[in-house]
Amino acid sequence: DSGVTQTPKHLITATGQRVTLRCSPRSGDLSVYWYQQSLDQGLQFLIHYYNGEERAKGNILERFSAQQFPDLHSELNLSSLELGDSALYFCASSVGSLRETQYFGPGTRLLVL
Amino acid sequence: GIQVEQSPPDLILQEGANSTLRCNFSDSVNNLQWFHQNPWGQLINLFYIPSGTKQNGRLSATTVATERYSLLYISSSQTTDSGVYFCAARRTQGGSEKLVFGKGTKLTVNP
Repeated sequence: DSGVTQTPKHLITATGQRVTLRCSPRSGDLSVYWYQQSLDQGLQFLIHYYNGEERAKGNILERFSAQQFPDLHSELNLSSLELGDSALYFCASSVGSLRETQYFGPGTRLLVL
Repeated sequence: GIQVEQSPPDLILQEGANSTLRCNFSDSVNNLQWFHQNPWGQLINLFYIPSGTKQNGRLSATTVATERYSLLYISSSQTTDSGVYFCAARRTQGGSEKLVFGKGTKLTVNP
């Protein structure tokens, strides 16, 4: 168990809908990262937050947004969902920033029908 | 953008064998990381290694930044080493940051 929790574990929804994925980092970790893993695109880095502030943005679509709250948990919002958004979404956390070991949550598996 | 290529795409070993996985990247990078995804999907960050060599138990990694490649060595492999190994290259440029993953090497270790 990495200490990073993600909810929900599975999510099935329809095209055009909006969903929110939640991540709670390990106690004491200030950084949260979001990744997407799909059959088509492989693993992709989406976004990184450090202590509430956005630090780096990767291949995150404009339909997606994220935030990190004062208690350091993070949410990834996916809107106007398309079939191609079906994927496994991972959250990871680390104590500091990019040069430190990241600990991954179990992922949220999203299926868009 | 950065291109990251991993080889071989698939590798099958007998328990106890050693292996070397390779990651080539097309541009200078600020960070090179290795990850392992086990057969149940759990991701583990193995190494952060922009240059030089690091060791962690039976695993070690070497990055030669000037030649744009990194190697992951697995010695005395065990069945629990099975899974997919990803490398990811990070480059910071003009305030933006890109982290690009390779397609992975799928390792199967047979008992």
